[in-house]
Amino acid sequence: KAGVTQTPRYLIKTRGQQVTLSCSPISGHRSVSWYQQTPGQGLQFLFEYFSETQRNKGNFPGRFSGRQFSNSRSEMNVSTLELGDSALYLCASSFGPSGNQETQYFGPGTRLLVL
Amino acid sequence: QKEVEQDPGPLSVPEGAIVSLNCTYSNSAFQYFMWYRQYSRKGPELLMYTYSSGNKEDGRFTAQVDKSSKYISLFIRDSQPSDSATYLCAMSPRGTYKYIFGTGTRLKVLA
Repeated sequence: KAGVTQTPRYLIKTRGQQVTLSCSPISGHRSVSWYQQTPGQGLQFLFEYFSETQRNKGNFPGRFSGRQFSNSRSEMNVSTLELGDSALYLCASSFGPSGNQETQYFGPGTRLLVL
Repeated sequence: QKEVEQDPGPLSVPEGAIVSLNCTYSNSAFQYFMWYRQYSRKGPELLMYTYSSGNKEDGRFTAQVDKSSKYISLFIRDSQPSDSATYLCAMSPRGTYKYIFGTGTRLKVLA
């Protein structure tokens, strides 16, 4: 069974640009969550989607947004990039909605560098 | 104060040693407790997942949860150089996948 895939794996952007990252969950999984990982802050929750609906959101500015498609694939978008947005962006998938409390499986991440 | 505290290490041990990794937390609403292993430039890999207080064993790994003390541990027996990685604890309340992670402990097992 294929794992969580994320594209692209590496990305370099400049301040002010916007970026879109993609995540394909494990086949059959319908829940996707996004996290930002930085050396200083560690892993921080961005948002969670199930059946195309955002169920939870972390404490990030509105420049960070996401969506989920009917095939469970998800994208996250960061507009007006800042230097501090440089991070590893991780996607995690699970089978059911958060009420079922099944565990999450992470993808390899997209490493974003903002210059 | 952070909701989850984890000693960042680094922790260096000889091959074959028993490793103890720990996290403390302050939010009594946390009900689910996970340990992930992350190799350099990879995504976190789930090691252990537990709900109740007590011990859970899987091969060389044992997860321990003490909800009364708000303290969780991961023990690695017969540690191997391949165990060298960053170990992250994570926890969440019921009903959300909004995991709160510790900062991670870097472990190095010396051959």
